[in-house]
Amino acid sequence: EDQVTQSPEALRLQEGESSSLNCSYTVSGLRGLFWYRQDPGKGPEFLFTLYSAGEEKEKERLKATLTKKESFLHITAPKPEDSATYLCAVQAGQAAGNKLTFGGGTRVLVKP
Amino acid sequence: DGGITQSPKYLFRKEGQNVTLSCEQILNHDAMYWYRQDPGQGLRLIYYSQIVNDFQKGDIAEGYSVSREKKESFPLTVTSAQKNPTAFYLCASSIGAGASYEQYFGPGTRLTVT
Repeated sequence: EDQVTQSPEALRLQEGESSSLNCSYTVSGLRGLFWYRQDPGKGPEFLFTLYSAGEEKEKERLKATLTKKESFLHITAPKPEDSATYLCAVQAGQAAGNKLTFGGGTRVLVKP
Repeated sequence: DGGITQSPKYLFRKEGQNVTLSCEQILNHDAMYWYRQDPGQGLRLIYYSQIVNDFQKGDIAEGYSVSREKKESFPLTVTSAQKNPTAFYLCASSIGAGASYEQYFGPGTRLTVT
C-alpha cells in the first residue's frame, strides 16, 4: 500500500528564517511526486511535479527536491504570505486512473 | 484559477437527506476526481472518471454516487448511507488519467450534516 508521511505537522517561522519540510513516501514504482499549497478553506494549488531522484524544481522562494525515499520543500527567506498548508502526494506506477496518495500536510506559519 | 467551480461553498443538511455537490470545469480536461478532506488527514479519493459516461470507485466510495454525462461536469451525491458525511469536499481535474498529469483543484464545498 502506498504511504506518504509529512513532517513536521506544523512549523512556525520568523520572516526570513529558512527551513525545510519533509515528505517521506513508500510507493510501488514512483510515477510522480506532487507538491501543493493550500490556504485555509480553499482548494489545493499546484506547485511542482518531480519525477525522478535527483530532480529539483524552484518557484520564487520554494525549492523542491527528490530522493528515492523522500522529498523536501525548502522555503528560503519566507514571507508572511508563504503561510499555508503544504501537501505532498505521490502517484504509483500502477496507479489506476492517475490516483494520488496524499500526506497529512505541514502547516506553516510565518510571523513578521 | 477559476477553471474549476464548485457550488455551493457551504452546505447544511439534516441527517438522512441526500445532497448533491456540483463540480464544473472549463479546462477541457478528460479526467475528473472527487476527494474528501478531514481535519488532520490527507485527501482521500472518493470517485474518479477518466472519460464521459465512465467512472470508478476510489478508496472511500461507500455512501457516495457520481455521474459523468458531460465532459465538463462531475456531480457528487452524498447519500444517507454515508456514516460521516460532514467534511470538506474537493473536486479536481487533469488533462488525462494515463500519465503523471497534475491535478487541478476547485475551491471546495464544506458540507455539514446535523
